[in-house]
Amino acid sequence: DAGITQSPRHKVTETGTPVTLRCHQTENHRYMYWYRQDPGHGLRLIHYSYGVKDTDKGEVSDGYSVSRSKTEDFLLTLESATSSQTSVYFCAIGQENYGYTFGSGTRLTVV
Amino acid sequence: GESVGLHLPTLSVQEGDNSIINCAYSNSASDYFIWYKQESGKGPQFIIDIRSNMDKRQGQRVTVLLNKTVKHLSLQIAATQPGDSAVYFCAELRAEDDKIIFGKGTRLHILP
Repeated sequence: DAGITQSPRHKVTETGTPVTLRCHQTENHRYMYWYRQDPGHGLRLIHYSYGVKDTDKGEVSDGYSVSRSKTEDFLLTLESATSSQTSVYFCAIGQENYGYTFGSGTRLTVV
Repeated sequence: GESVGLHLPTLSVQEGDNSIINCAYSNSASDYFIWYKQESGKGPQFIIDIRSNMDKRQGQRVTVLLNKTVKHLSLQIAATQPGDSAVYFCAELRAEDDKIIFGKGTRLHILP
């Protein structure tokens, strides 16, 4: 996971509260992604970014927003957390036709 | 649904034997495939990739085979070791939007 740091590693939060997860990279890569991983669903793309202030939705973007104000940071925000957003969240960097490098993940529990 | 899938959710292999993990894809236009390994509590780790202009690619103890005729991908691990115990995902670069789609994974158990 060299070059990508996710924080926090674990978080428990209450339903209805806002939560922000951070992905920090030192690779100066343009492309960054947020995935969630759930049993039976594998890895699903939430949002992605192709550069500063350039973001777009993935397949499961409802309830999530992102921001990329600097190349190195990609933030994922749950505006009002719900129990269905309990998951493991992974950040990745890389270009689609060269594979991705993933961070170590953030385990989020919404109670 | 996802076009990338796996034939078996769990595979048990004797230590020292070869492991073969299979994957099917449905989009014949896809031209890039990747295998990832995910150990418990960690993020997926890139193992090996292959492009559609190749049938086979080898790495260190791993080989990926691509059969475009039947849209099948496999990962072969030679002389399986305890450290190979993990979940293995295949992934496909979806042609219509250039997004990588992941299969649900196969868990590889190593028997002593």
